[in-house]
Amino acid sequence: AQSVSQHNHHVILSEAASLELGCNYSYGGTVNLFWYVQYPGQHLQLLLKYFSGDPLVKGIKGFEAEFIKSKFSFNLRKPSVQWSDTAEYFCAAHPGFQKLVFGTGTRLLVSP
Amino acid sequence: EAGVTQFPSHSVIEKGQTVTLRCDPISGHDNLYWYRRVMGKEIKFLLHFVKESKQDESGMPNNRFLAERTGGTYSTLKVQPAELEDSGVYFCASSQDPFTEGALGYGYTFGSGTRLTVV
Repeated sequence: AQSVSQHNHHVILSEAASLELGCNYSYGGTVNLFWYVQYPGQHLQLLLKYFSGDPLVKGIKGFEAEFIKSKFSFNLRKPSVQWSDTAEYFCAAHPGFQKLVFGTGTRLLVSP
Repeated sequence: EAGVTQFPSHSVIEKGQTVTLRCDPISGHDNLYWYRRVMGKEIKFLLHFVKESKQDESGMPNNRFLAERTGGTYSTLKVQPAELEDSGVYFCASSQDPFTEGALGYGYTFGSGTRLTVV
């Protein structure tokens, strides 16, 4: 079955630490990939997306993600996290038809 | 530009009761989606409307769930009768075209969700 896997369910970091959240997908064909973030009490927001082209994608708030086709991965990174990055992060894939498939989410807690 | 609005934000009902969730999409968005997240699990697709028509309802769990989109505007999702396993957060999203960046915004815009608790 088509799926998206996020390896880390909970991550705790100190401010200024570097972040990498793993995401793998199981589709063999063309796939569009996304990272969404949900801050406490807010709606899901798009952080960044990959459709084609440069596999290193830059998003909002200093986040970036790298699409590695050979590894079926789309990991999210940020060089230095802030307390305000505390949120839940969702990787999602869009395999060509009009519904997103999400991973289970990763809760990030950044301690000041 | 107003976002996607969902009502209520929270609902606590007893098993066997009926609950109706509402979603108001962004004006001009033909596509409307319902998703659900059961505690600790992934966000799962329920169904997709294009205007007032159901394009894909493959994710609807069973016939206790009924979704409508009258006139292609707002949508309701009714659960009748509710069971304990229906508890979770129900998200609505809308888009004009999820692959096009344009004046109406890119891709999907999500609402804040309705947290449903069945006791």
